[in-house]
Amino acid sequence: DVKVTQSSRYLVKRTGEKVFLECVQDMDHENMFWYRQDPGLGLRLIYFSYDVKMKEKGDIPEGYSVSREKKERFSLILESASTNQTSMYLCASTIYGGSNQPQHFGDGTRLSIL
Amino acid sequence: GNSVTQMEGPVTLSEEAFLTINCTYTATGYPSLFWYVQYPGEGLQLLLKATKADDKGSNKGFEATYRKETTSFHLEKGSVQVSDSAVYFCALSVDSNYQLIWGAGTKLIIKP
Repeated sequence: DVKVTQSSRYLVKRTGEKVFLECVQDMDHENMFWYRQDPGLGLRLIYFSYDVKMKEKGDIPEGYSVSREKKERFSLILESASTNQTSMYLCASTIYGGSNQPQHFGDGTRLSIL
Repeated sequence: GNSVTQMEGPVTLSEEAFLTINCTYTATGYPSLFWYVQYPGEGLQLLLKATKADDKGSNKGFEATYRKETTSFHLEKGSVQVSDSAVYFCALSVDSNYQLIWGAGTKLIIKP
């Protein structure tokens, strides 16, 4: 089975801090994604990456950046955390191979910015 | 553009009731369609998928049929259990793009 591991289940940070959320997958997947999930808004794509060192903006990239130095690891960075970034963050990965490939998710990181 | 519309929740049912969660879509090209489930405190898991018209996806007693003529992919289960309580997401994916387009999610509550 595919395993997508997010480094923290719960995280509390302060306004203005630089925050790193880490995601690792063990199935050599090419594509990786970061979403945030908020009540009533479903999942919104922040960034995705289809290869090492490649990244594409999603629907809500403002205030975030990403890093993919190795194929298995995709990091989300909040450059200067703000309270409106309090949310559940979900990482996902999928194999290269067309639109019929499902995404595999980690358990999520619930981030609170105080 | 591409979009997914799901029925709003929460949906509250008694155990052993019949379940339908509606999902309709708008897409260019030939999308693949997915249902994901999110149990409390967990990430999303793939529940089932269908990749072409008239395909039926099924898993754990849940079914959904890809209906091109009505652009729908409704989720059904004949007899729900308390353990089915979760949030269910409908999503689509279109060729040449690995992104998923998501519905807003439908919270399902099953009472014993």
